[in-house]
Amino acid sequence: GQQVMQIPQYQHVQEGEDFTTYCNSSTTLSNIQWYKQRPGGHPVFLIQLVKSGEVKKQKRLTFQFGEAKKNSSLHITATQTTDVGTYFCAAPGNTDKLIFGTGTRLQVFP
Amino acid sequence: EAQVTQNPRYLITVTGKKLTVTCSQNMNHEYMSWYRQDPGLGLRQIYYSMNVEVTDKGDVPEGYKVSRKEKRNFPLILESPSPNQTSLYFCASKVRGNTEAFFGQGTRLTVV
Repeated sequence: GQQVMQIPQYQHVQEGEDFTTYCNSSTTLSNIQWYKQRPGGHPVFLIQLVKSGEVKKQKRLTFQFGEAKKNSSLHITATQTTDVGTYFCAAPGNTDKLIFGTGTRLQVFP
Repeated sequence: EAQVTQNPRYLITVTGKKLTVTCSQNMNHEYMSWYRQDPGLGLRQIYYSMNVEVTDKGDVPEGYKVSRKEKRNFPLILESPSPNQTSLYFCASKVRGNTEAFFGQGTRLTVV
């Protein structure tokens, strides 16, 4: 079945360093979503990418959708302690299903 | 306020004792689903419902039941919980189609 692989599983960075998480699909996607889960919290929707090669920014967060629509990335510039959490990508499956990647847990050291 | 409400937030139970985790949404969403989150495995779908009285299995349905008698409610039932069902559970709802999902606060279940 359709799978969504996400790397790395963990990332520890010093505050101020950049961070990137990558998401790869075995199939071409119509769109991809990104979610953030703070420690002890629940996943919260960040953004959806639809177009091939699309790039969207939210302050220090940059989201990209690959030209082939099989991969995506989330890049955080100059991380802050408020960025701590687990970031998930999610791809559409059959019957309105969302297939989540395994997530990347980000830890930021002050 | 638009939200998905799960109860309880925390639950410790013994093997074999039936339990229900409730989920309610106030956004009139057609689609609701249950996920379990385990370390290194991400969010795996247990069951989903595309509308009232329409439910179907997700990726890990064994040991679980659901019902959708009303649009707003989607309870998760563990008829005979076992320790391998110890996990963090999330209910989510959304509009049909490629739309964002709204998650409940989560239920941390421990089965001893």
